Amino acid sequence: QQPVQSPQAVILREGEDAVINCSSSKALYSVHWYRQKHGEAPVFLMILLKGGEQKGHEKISASFNEKKQQSSLYLTASQLSYSGTYFCGTEMGSGGGADGLTFGKGTHLIIQP
Amino acid sequence: DGGITQSPKYLFRKEGQNVTLSCEQNLNHDAMYWYRQDPGQGLRLIYYSQIVNDFQKGDIAEGYSVSREKKESFPLTVTSAQKNPTAFYLCASNWRPGELFFGEGSRLTVL
Repeated sequence: QQPVQSPQAVILREGEDAVINCSSSKALYSVHWYRQKHGEAPVFLMILLKGGEQKGHEKISASFNEKKQQSSLYLTASQLSYSGTYFCGTEMGSGGGADGLTFGKGTHLIIQP
Repeated sequence: DGGITQSPKYLFRKEGQNVTLSCEQNLNHDAMYWYRQDPGQGLRLIYYSQIVNDFQKGDIAEGYSVSREKKESFPLTVTSAQKNPTAFYLCASNWRPGELFFGEGSRLTVL
């Protein structure tokens, strides 16, 4: 079942913060986050496994709330290079990554100077 | 350099024709995947393969076929049975579990 992402789109000024949410109605084993620039392939940002561990990647971090089956991606002090479409990909069940990820519809992030 | 190579990058097809999209990886990954991307729809899984000579249907397999005769290769055929084949097709691979590595994509347009 496709996870639900919110918001659908965000417009920010450079330096502002953003939060993108991803929620599922099914129990999740892991959540992946990817960013895609127009016409390019998605690029991996981070993976969160069951356990609620928060991960970080420079000014981009994420959390995974196992009880709510929800993940949030935090972008702080946004830069122009952060513009793009952000996708969460979810994996259900016992994990192992064998069955592929189910992706949300994406969140369009536009950073203005 | 290791990576995933998809070809062709752009493809035009007449209605009723089958076309095959190539996907080759030199990352030594066991698992390979095909996703379809339409505007506003995210990425939807077509087929995936965990090992050579084995593959499973994803969420939208109707009208598509695949083969996995070699670890490095996972071609996708878009058949004439696919009702709306115009889309951006992405091939990916990974070690399980782990991040997906994507190819640059193939954009198919049906005329």
